[in-house]
Amino acid sequence: SAVISQKPSRDICQRGTSLTIQCQVDSQVTMMFWYRQQPGQSLTLIATANQGSEATYESGFVIDKFPISRPNLTFSTLTVSNLSPEDSSIYLCSVAVGQGTSSPLHFGNGTRLTVT
Amino acid sequence: KQEVTQIPAALSVPEGENLVLNCSFTDSAIYNLQWFRQDPGKGLTSLLLIQSSQREQTSGRLNASLDKSSGRSTLYIAASQPGDSATYLCAVRPGNQFYFGTGTSLTVIP
Repeated sequence: SAVISQKPSRDICQRGTSLTIQCQVDSQVTMMFWYRQQPGQSLTLIATANQGSEATYESGFVIDKFPISRPNLTFSTLTVSNLSPEDSSIYLCSVAVGQGTSSPLHFGNGTRLTVT
Repeated sequence: KQEVTQIPAALSVPEGENLVLNCSFTDSAIYNLQWFRQDPGKGLTSLLLIQSSQREQTSGRLNASLDKSSGRSTLYIAASQPGDSATYLCAVRPGNQFYFGTGTSLTVIP
């Protein structure tokens, strides 16, 4: 498995500002994902963070709003830009450990964002 | 697109009962299915991973089964405890993505 450290664990931000979330993994992983979990909802994939290239975004999510960096195989950041109250959610970093399609998914503890 | 549904959405049982959580998915072409537990405001903890070639996996009081052809999985929890209270999510992997169910919120009453 992998130990995933996500920071901050929670934050309260004003609308119009931005929040950058960091995700650090204790081993090199190929696949790293960012999810959003809105209140009372299940998880929605925002994007796949690709090392050395632009992230792959899901329908409904754009780079201008959710810029992602992945400088190496152990670290990634997600920025939520131009915050509005609708962005209040838990944001989760996850990784698939191991090679191939049999590898399980592991999560960090998440970042609870509240936008006022 | 894969759709994953979990029934029931919420479940409340007295301590000591055995219970079953259900997960169904629309496309049987998956590599694996994973069950997670989520405590309020926290991340997800992996409970069990079933590969597409497997029928079930067991860990302690937990047993997960997979019937890929019918698009179903169950999570059986034996002798439930108050500490089992959490939301349980299943996720299927048809490729490099993972699709999550809607979750079952479990409350075990002491």
